Amino acid sequence: DVKVTQSSRYLVKRTGEKVFLECVQDMDHENMFWYRQDPGLGLRLIYFSYDVKMKEKGDIPEGYSVSREKKERFSLILESASTNQTSMYLCASSFRKNIQYFGAGTRLSVL
Amino acid sequence: QKEVEQNSGPLSVPEGAIASLNCTYSDRGSQSFFWYRQYSGKSPELIMSIYSNGDKEDGRFTAQLNKASQYVSLLIRDSQPSDSATYLCAVTIILTGGGNKLTFGTGTQLKVEL
Repeated sequence: DVKVTQSSRYLVKRTGEKVFLECVQDMDHENMFWYRQDPGLGLRLIYFSYDVKMKEKGDIPEGYSVSREKKERFSLILESASTNQTSMYLCASSFRKNIQYFGAGTRLSVL
Repeated sequence: QKEVEQNSGPLSVPEGAIASLNCTYSDRGSQSFFWYRQYSGKSPELIMSIYSNGDKEDGRFTAQLNKASQYVSLLIRDSQPSDSATYLCAVTIILTGGGNKLTFGTGTQLKVEL
């Protein structure tokens, strides 16, 4: 079974803090993705990566950055957290035919 | 026009009935289509994928694809209360300059009532 692991299920941070969300997959997938999910807005793509050290902006990259130093790990960074970044964050990975497998999600609250 | 559109629901069906979930998409070049199920507070899980016109059946689930009408649907036979969830339609969208990305609809909430 594919396993995508996100480091935290719940996080509470303060405005202005730098926040790291970690995602690890164990299936040697080339492709990894970060989404946020908000009520009524669905899943929105923040960043994705098709290879190590490679990154592409998704639909809503503002306020975020990413890092992919190793194939299995894809990190999402909030440089200076703001209250409008309170959301559910989902990491996914895929190998072929675009089938994406999701981690359990991180519910982030920024106070 | 949204790239992938779904009725948000809720769609309510009695236990044992057939639930029909629909999705339309805007990109005629789309090649891959998926249905994900998401329980409240959980992450999406893949339940069906379909790549060619027609029907694809897997247990109680049938995915239907009509590329000419840009329409994909999911039928759930003998609906159970455990099927109550939000169903997300996902479609590959071809990017200008090559490549593609998976785009999700906002989901249809299904409620199966006893």
